[in-house]
Amino acid sequence: AQTVTQSQPEMSVQEAETVTLSCTYDTSESDYYLFWYKQPPSRQMILVIRQEAYKQQNATENRFSVNFQKAAKSFSLKISDSQLGDAAMYFCAYRSAFLFGNDMRFGAGTRLTVKP
Amino acid sequence: GAGVSQSPSNKVTEKGKDVELRCDPISGHTALYWYRQRLGQGLEFLIYFQGNSAPDKSGLPSDRFSAERTGESVSTLTIQRTQQEDSAVYLCASSFRTGQETQYFGPGTRLLVL
Repeated sequence: AQTVTQSQPEMSVQEAETVTLSCTYDTSESDYYLFWYKQPPSRQMILVIRQEAYKQQNATENRFSVNFQKAAKSFSLKISDSQLGDAAMYFCAYRSAFLFGNDMRFGAGTRLTVKP
Repeated sequence: GAGVSQSPSNKVTEKGKDVELRCDPISGHTALYWYRQRLGQGLEFLIYFQGNSAPDKSGLPSDRFSAERTGESVSTLTIQRTQQEDSAVYLCASSFRTGQETQYFGPGTRLLVL
C-alpha cells in the first residue's frame, strides 16, 4: 500500500521569506499524481499544486513550487514570499494513476505558522 | 453550485444516536468521496461513488457506517449507533470523474459524539 510521510509536524516562517515543506512517499507504481492541499482553520481543503509523475518539470503555481524527485520519492513544497494568509495545515497526497476510482493517500500534515 | 457543500457544518449528538451527513458535489462531477479527519491527523478514506454506484466500500470503519448517493448529486453518509470514537471532521470531495481528476473538497462536518 502506498504511504505518505510528512516528517515536519510544525514549521514556522517569517513573512516575506521562503519555507520548504517536506513530503516523502512509498510506492511501487511508475505513474501517479502528487498533490499539496492547504487547510486553513475554516477546514476547507484547498488544492495548492498538483504534479504528474510522468512529467519531469516541477509544477509551479505563483509563489508555490515543488521539488519533485521521483527516484528519491520526494515531493517538497516551496512557498516563496510567505504571506500571513499562507498560515494553515498543509497536506501532501498521493494518488495512483492506474486504479480506477482510487482514493488519495494523505500525509499527517504540517502546520505552518507565518510570523509578521 | 460553485463548490462542494456539506451540511450540517457542526453536529453534536449523544452516544448511541444515528446521524446523517450530507454532501452536495459540484454540478457535473460524477465522482464523490468521503473522508474522515480525526483531530490533528490526516485524511482517512471512507468510500467513493462513481455515479450512484459505490464500487469500493473497503474504507468504511464498521457496519455502523453506510453511504448512498442519488444519481450524480447528493450523497448521505449515515453513522448508526454513534460512538465517541466517531467524533471527527467528515470531509466530502468531488471530481469530474474518478481516476486522474483532481478532487475538490467541501468545508466538512464536525461531528462530536458525547
